Amino acid sequence: DVKVTQSSRYLVKRTGEKVFLECVQDMDHENMFWYRQDPGLGLRLIYFSYDVKMKEKGDIPEGYSVSREKKERFSLILESASTNQTSMYLCASSSEAEGEYEQYFGPGTRLTVT
Amino acid sequence: ELKVEQNPLFLSMQEGKNYTIYCNYSTTSDRLYWYRQDPGKSLESLFVLLSNGAVKQEGRLMASLDTKARLSTLHITAAVHDLSATYFCAVEETSGSRLTFGEGTQLTVNP
Repeated sequence: DVKVTQSSRYLVKRTGEKVFLECVQDMDHENMFWYRQDPGLGLRLIYFSYDVKMKEKGDIPEGYSVSREKKERFSLILESASTNQTSMYLCASSSEAEGEYEQYFGPGTRLTVT
Repeated sequence: ELKVEQNPLFLSMQEGKNYTIYCNYSTTSDRLYWYRQDPGKSLESLFVLLSNGAVKQEGRLMASLDTKARLSTLHITAAVHDLSATYFCAVEETSGSRLTFGEGTQLTVNP
């Protein structure tokens, strides 16, 4: 089974702090994604990566950056956390192999910025 | 810009009844996904629909895709309480692997 893990289930940070959210997948997937989920808005894509050291902006990249130094690990960085970044953050991964299409999601990190 | 709209956003139904959730999207795509999310949990893949006319069924849920109408439906047959969850459709852009999600449909099945 594909396993996507995230470093924390719950996180509380103060405004202005630098925040790191880590995601690791164990299926050698090429693609990795970071979403945030807010009530009534569904999931919105923040950043994604098709390969190591590669990154692409999603729909709402402002205030975030990412790092992918190894294939299995994709980190989301909030350079200076703000209260409007309080949200549920979901990481996902998928394969480029023929016949493999789905994105597999991690358990999520609920971040509160006070 | 790809837009995905689901309706209804909230659905309360009685056990044993049938209902359909609709997912409309704005641009051409050949791949559509349905996910389920239980409260406080992550997303679980239900169906992957890969071509026009695709139909998939699992238990009391059946999903279909009409790429010409840019419409997918998730049909619930004889609902049971265990189906209570939020259901998301997601559409894959033709140029890559990224998904655009609908707002989600919060389904409550009452005894």
